Amino acid sequence: DTGVSQDPRHKITKRGQNVTFRCDPISEHNRLYWYRQTLGQGPEFLTYFQNEAQLEKSRLLSDRFSAERPKGSFSTLEIQRTEQGDSAMYLCASSLSKEGKNIQYFGAGTRLSVL
Amino acid sequence: GNSVTQMEGPVTLSEEAFLTINCTYTATGYPSLFWYVQYPGEGLQLLLKATKADDKGSNKGFEATYRKETTSFHLEKGSVQVSDSAVYFCALSPYNFNKFYFGSGTKLNVKP
Repeated sequence: DTGVSQDPRHKITKRGQNVTFRCDPISEHNRLYWYRQTLGQGPEFLTYFQNEAQLEKSRLLSDRFSAERPKGSFSTLEIQRTEQGDSAMYLCASSLSKEGKNIQYFGAGTRLSVL
Repeated sequence: GNSVTQMEGPVTLSEEAFLTINCTYTATGYPSLFWYVQYPGEGLQLLLKATKADDKGSNKGFEATYRKETTSFHLEKGSVQVSDSAVYFCALSPYNFNKFYFGSGTKLNVKP
């Protein structure tokens, strides 16, 4: 068990560029979550997958954001036409959807800075 | 709706002092409650949890009791150490566990 890993750890981009982040969950976990955390705030839910199915999306997830989990393993989060307001820490978490076991384990996050 | 309110920080204590970080919640149904800790440069780590009313979660000397009557889940530790300096997040998960709702976090600074 290597934990949840996210790549890259830091991303600096110019406004208007597209960026993509990757998350590798704990191997046996069937649920994967994306959150956004801004400075001084707690994480805010963006979306989650059970296996390859995206089951819920927050209103925070505008049309410029898209997430995929094509084979039910790793996931990608893409932001198109980035804006300065997108600057935040993007956190990924995974869990096992089993009674009493649904604890979310978090990765270290990808910090995005949009210039 | 679902939400979590935490006391604002930072909280600054001397080593071996008693710690309380207040957390209250609003929720539909019967949520599970959690405390996560975030050390500088690291991801959130689960500290403790409670899944039903009157449950007490505990870990590493930290405790929190799920109080349904006061909708609270206050974090306590009898004697803090410098190594406990971190940001602490209270969170709830609705009965269907599809996502977490986090408080804004409380930064704890422990001085030697």
